[in-house]
Amino acid sequence: SAVISQKPSRDICQRGTSLTIQCQVDSQVTMMFWYRQQPGQSLTLIATANQGSEATYESGFVIDKFPISRPNLTFSTLTVSNMSPEDSSIYLCSIEPIRDYGYTFGSGTRLTVV
Amino acid sequence: KQEVTQIPAALSVPEGENLVLNCSFTDSAIYNLQWFRQDPGKGLTSLLLIQSSQREQTSGRLNASLDKSSGRSTLYIAASQPGDSATYLCAVVGETSGSRLTFGEGTQLTVNP
Repeated sequence: SAVISQKPSRDICQRGTSLTIQCQVDSQVTMMFWYRQQPGQSLTLIATANQGSEATYESGFVIDKFPISRPNLTFSTLTVSNMSPEDSSIYLCSIEPIRDYGYTFGSGTRLTVV
Repeated sequence: KQEVTQIPAALSVPEGENLVLNCSFTDSAIYNLQWFRQDPGKGLTSLLLIQSSQREQTSGRLNASLDKSSGRSTLYIAASQPGDSATYLCAVVGETSGSRLTFGEGTQLTVNP
């Protein structure tokens, strides 16, 4: 399976600021995914990021709030913009499934907005 | 729209007990189902992947079964240990959902020494 390095692992941010989360994969992948996990809830897909094209956002998520970059086949960033306390969540990245192994996730970024 | 439900939401057992976690999904047209483990505040660790053509998968003390037609999966943990304490999530990929995972709410397991 692939290894995904995600950082930061956690952060406490002031409302109104922005935070950029990075995911680095140890192999080339076409598709990367970004998820949000609000406190006490399960994971919700934010967007799918393919290299060389605009990210595809799920219903309820917009590019102005969650801009995503995908400069190459091993790296992606998610920015949480103009943060409010409601953005306090764990954010996770994932990559396209590997046959016989399935989906691999990063270690998560625990964001607290105060 | 696919919906995934996990029962129970929380489970507390003494060490050494065998236990079963349940996962059900509303749309049986799936490619596969995957079980994950999540420690508090952390990312997801893949436990088992079951393709739609398979009935079960095993890894160590874990065994996952899949009954696609009835929309059910179970995760069996044998001889539970305190280190098994975590939240267990199941997720499915539907035949019409592209590569999107649909997650259940999870079962929070506590194994008491």
